[in-house]
Formats: sequence, C-alpha cells, structure tokens
Amino acid sequence: DIQMTQSPSSLSASVGDRVTITCRASQSINNYLNWYQQKSGKAPKLLIYSASSLQSGVPSRFSGSGSGTDFTLTITSLQPEDFATYYCQQSYSTPRTFGQGTKVEIK
Amino acid sequence: QVQLQESGPGLVKPSETLSLTCTVSGGSISSYFWSWIRQPAGKGLEWIGRIYTSGITNYNPSLKSRVTMSVNTSKNQFSLNLTSVTAADSAVYYCAREAAVAGRYLDYWGPGMLVTVSS
Repeated sequence: DIQMTQSPSSLSASVGDRVTITCRASQSINNYLNWYQQKSGKAPKLLIYSASSLQSGVPSRFSGSGSGTDFTLTITSLQPEDFATYYCQQSYSTPRTFGQGTKVEIK
Repeated sequence: QVQLQESGPGLVKPSETLSLTCTVSGGSISSYFWSWIRQPAGKGLEWIGRIYTSGITNYNPSLKSRVTMSVNTSKNQFSLNLTSVTAADSAVYYCAREAAVAGRYLDYWGPGMLVTVSS
C-alpha cells in the first residue's frame, strides 16, 4: 500500500492568512493526487484533482502543486468557511489511501 | 446534478453482516467506479473498495476477506456487504463516485451513514 503523510496534523490561522499543507507519498504517484475538504458532520468535498486541477465551483484561492512524491495545497487568503479538515488521497493504485488529515482551526 | 444516498440498518450486532446500499440519482451509473469509504468517529478516511459497472471489483486487502460489493445497473444502485463485524467496524460509511479516466478522483459523495456495531 502507498502511505500518505500529511503535515502538519493541525494548524491555527487567522482570516486572510496564507496556509500551506503538505502531503508526501511513500513512492512516486506521478500526479495522481487529490485534495478534499471535510467540514464537521459532512462528507468530504473534492477541491483539487490531478495534483493541480481546480474542481469546478471551488474558489480560486485554493491551489495545488507537486508531482512524484511531494505535494502542496495552498489557500492564499483564508476565509471563515475554510476552517475544516483537509485530506490528500492518492489515486495511482489500489488500495486508494488518504493522508491522516490536517485540521485548520481559527487562531 | 448527481446525488448519492446511503441506506441500510444503522445498528448491527457483532458477528453479523453489515449491508448498505447506495442509490445514484441525476445521472447514469454506467462507466464509473463506485466506491465505499468509511470514517470511525474522530478519525480519518479509510477506503473499503470499489466496483465498476461491469462488476469488476477492487477491495482493500485489510478488509478483503470480509467484503463483497455488487452493482444493480437497472436500479442505479450498488451495495456493500461486510461480514463478521466487530465494534471496530463502527463508523460513518460513505459511498462515492470515482471517475474511470484521468485523475480517478472521488467527485460525488453521499452524505454518509452512521453504522454502529453493538449488541
């Protein structure tokens, strides 16, 4: 199985801050990396697919980058509705695996 | 707009079989992979497996001996059976659609269904 490791596990930030979350795969996954946002009590929502493609309807303050084993999710100006948990997921091979999540909290 | 909805018993006894169905509306079930993911309370996401509309399946090796998935294209439904459940199988279970091409991402999810394993 491919292990996905996110960092940090949690962070505190203020509205307007730039936030960066990293995800590392245990082997190369090319660009088969997706990012999801999950709010409390809700299903995950797709934000970024194929490492850097913005899902339709997702605000442009979200962006993704990386290839191979190292990936980044960036929120350029954090908004109140962005406080949530973020997960990366590899879709290079089965079983699909997720990172452990990064909880973004209000400072 | 594609919508998914999980259904089934919310309470299952230990050693019995957990059975869930996901109903897809607003689009065809054909030409996609259909996945099950679960999330224990306060924890992360675990991929259980997926089924293509042809019936081809991929299961998580950690659950493979206990999991069976099926699809009913005429009803736009797919199902999960998990046998010999224990308290460790208590979780919110999500169904989701995976694109069969390109990024193979999970773009539509059901709202989730809480399943508790308890006597």
